[in-house]
Amino acid sequence: DTEVTQTPKHLVMGMTNKKSLKCEQHMGHRAMYWYKQKAKKPPELMFVYSYEKLSINESVPSRFSPECPNSSLLNLHLHALQPEDSALYLCASSLPGQGPSGNTIYFGEGSWLTVV
Amino acid sequence: SQQGEEDPQALSIQEGENATMNCSYKTSINNLQWYRQNSGRGLVHLILIRSNEREKHSGRLRVTLDTSKKSSSLLITASRAADTASYFCATDASRLWDDMRFGAGTRLTVKP
Repeated sequence: DTEVTQTPKHLVMGMTNKKSLKCEQHMGHRAMYWYKQKAKKPPELMFVYSYEKLSINESVPSRFSPECPNSSLLNLHLHALQPEDSALYLCASSLPGQGPSGNTIYFGEGSWLTVV
Repeated sequence: SQQGEEDPQALSIQEGENATMNCSYKTSINNLQWYRQNSGRGLVHLILIRSNEREKHSGRLRVTLDTSKKSSSLLITASRAADTASYFCATDASRLWDDMRFGAGTRLTVKP
């Protein structure tokens, strides 16, 4: 099973709403990622959790709040977003500690977020 | 922030032709990877090349890596319409294996 599952696939939310994006993997991976992707642009790294601890936060605004309840789950809590936050949000996971051996990342299909 | 830059930004070829995409990066790396993304979908891993390797093959894919020039190329031979997608290179910061950054990408169109 090489699958990363993201829900919901599509989300429309108002600027005052609170919503969450969810991500799940059962590959035993211990690193999980959130990327944001705008149209015709590459994925931009937002957060990385390694062994359920936040290891990278790319200076993401506090209206985005990640959570890693356990090694299989990753959430992204959304609050008071702006229309410019509309994008494809990609979750990914990988095995830990591969170092020079490489770190293949497995992506989910993404959650399309529209902020109105 | 982005690590790699790719060229060309867009490439249009006929079925059966070869497609070559290039990626340049800025810092030392442990490895470089290529990913493919169909429109609006998740990314799919294609191939990984380690910093001590110079060339790698996988089916119709050939990847080269020149660490002295901090560049890599992806060659797709005998292209098919189904190869139409965006292709991204990704690199890790050499001490942070989980800090994976993507280049700008090349949009490949293969015409039948």
